Amino acid sequence: DIQMTQSPSTLSASVGDRVTITCRASQSISSWLAWYQQKPGKAPKLLIYKASTLESGVPSRFSGSGSGTEFTLSISSLQPDDFATYYCQQYNSYPPTFGGGTKVEIK
Amino acid sequence: EVQLLDSGGGLEQPGGSLRLSCAASGFTFSSSAMSWVRQVPGMGLEWVSTISANGGSTYYADSVKGRFTISRDTSKSTLYLQMNSLRAEDTAVYYCARAATYNSGWWDFQHWGQGTLVSVSS
Repeated sequence: DIQMTQSPSTLSASVGDRVTITCRASQSISSWLAWYQQKPGKAPKLLIYKASTLESGVPSRFSGSGSGTEFTLSISSLQPDDFATYYCQQYNSYPPTFGGGTKVEIK
Repeated sequence: EVQLLDSGGGLEQPGGSLRLSCAASGFTFSSSAMSWVRQVPGMGLEWVSTISANGGSTYYADSVKGRFTISRDTSKSTLYLQMNSLRAEDTAVYYCARAATYNSGWWDFQHWGQGTLVSVSS
């Protein structure tokens, strides 16, 4: 199985900060990567697919980049609604696998 | 609006069975692959199973293969997960999800149900 490693596991930031989360795959996954946002007690929400394509309705302050084994999710200006846990997921190979998550906390 | 309504969770003893359901609306159910993803409270996400749009292909994580069965009823727009021989390590919130299939052959998860909690304990 492909291992997905996210860093950092926790990130403390302030409203208005630019935030970057990294996801690394144990082998190349081309651009077959999705990012999800999850708030406490809620289901995950798809933010980005194919590494950089924004899901409909997702604010443009979110962006994704990367290919191969290294990917990033960026939030250009952190908003109060963005404090959550973020997960990456690869779908290049079977079985699909998720990263361990990055919790974005209020500084 | 896409809606997925998960149900069927509860407390079950080790070795017991449960059947989860997911009622879908707001999209063409018969055209979408569907999946189950689980999450131990406070932990990360784990893909469990996927069924193709026509129901002809099913896929399972090694951790549940041989114990869980995914199925779908197009007439009811409902997805199911039959869970047998339950173990303590199956304790988790189970989410149904609408899966999008890509040229890679595999899936991301476009829409999610609210989740249903399965607890396995004596």
